[in-house]
Amino acid sequence: EIVMTQSPATLSVSPGERATLSCRASQSVSSNVAWYKQLPGQAPRLLLYGTSTRAAGVPARFSGSGSGTDFTLTISSLQSEDFAVYYCQQYHSWPGFGQGTRLEIK
Amino acid sequence: QQQLQESGPGLVKPSETLSLTCSASGGSISSGSYYWAWIRQPPGKGLEWIGGIHYSGGAYYNPSLKSRVTISVDTSQNQFSLTLNSVTAADTAVYYCARPYSFYRYSDSFDIWGQGTMVTVSS
Repeated sequence: EIVMTQSPATLSVSPGERATLSCRASQSVSSNVAWYKQLPGQAPRLLLYGTSTRAAGVPARFSGSGSGTDFTLTISSLQSEDFAVYYCQQYHSWPGFGQGTRLEIK
Repeated sequence: QQQLQESGPGLVKPSETLSLTCSASGGSISSGSYYWAWIRQPPGKGLEWIGGIHYSGGAYYNPSLKSRVTISVDTSQNQFSLTLNSVTAADTAVYYCARPYSFYRYSDSFDIWGQGTMVTVSS
């Protein structure tokens, strides 16, 4: 089983600032990583796949990087709608998700 | 535009069987070679992939749940279903059906999700 570990668990950032979220895999997953955003009471929404490719309709302020075991989601200038829980997911083996990072308003 | 909708009982007794159905609209589940998936989320916790099924009937399951899970497909109804046996309180969760981004891959990112249905296991 590949374990995905996200850090930090909670991140407090002011609107307009940059947020950097991390995800580490317990073994190499190549570039087979996706990122999701989840608002309360809603299903997750796919943001990025293949580590860095934005899904349809995702704003350019969302970017991803990494390979192997270490991955990063960066939100360049936080908007009010960006405060949510974010999950990383690997699909190198059977799908596995991180435990989430809660992005809150500072 | 493809849409998915989960349905089924919201309350299941311990040791009994959980059964849910996902109805697809806006496209046929047999029109592309997707592995239609079930994913769950316990209250306040993260996401767990349960398994995925191809319209031909081929399925893959999370090894941790494989002994209790069956996913089936009904192309005539444009639906696929989840059955989870011998449930306990640990199976209490929001259950989502989802479609992977790519054809042919049971393990992939998921770009289309249902709204989710809450299932509580309690006597």
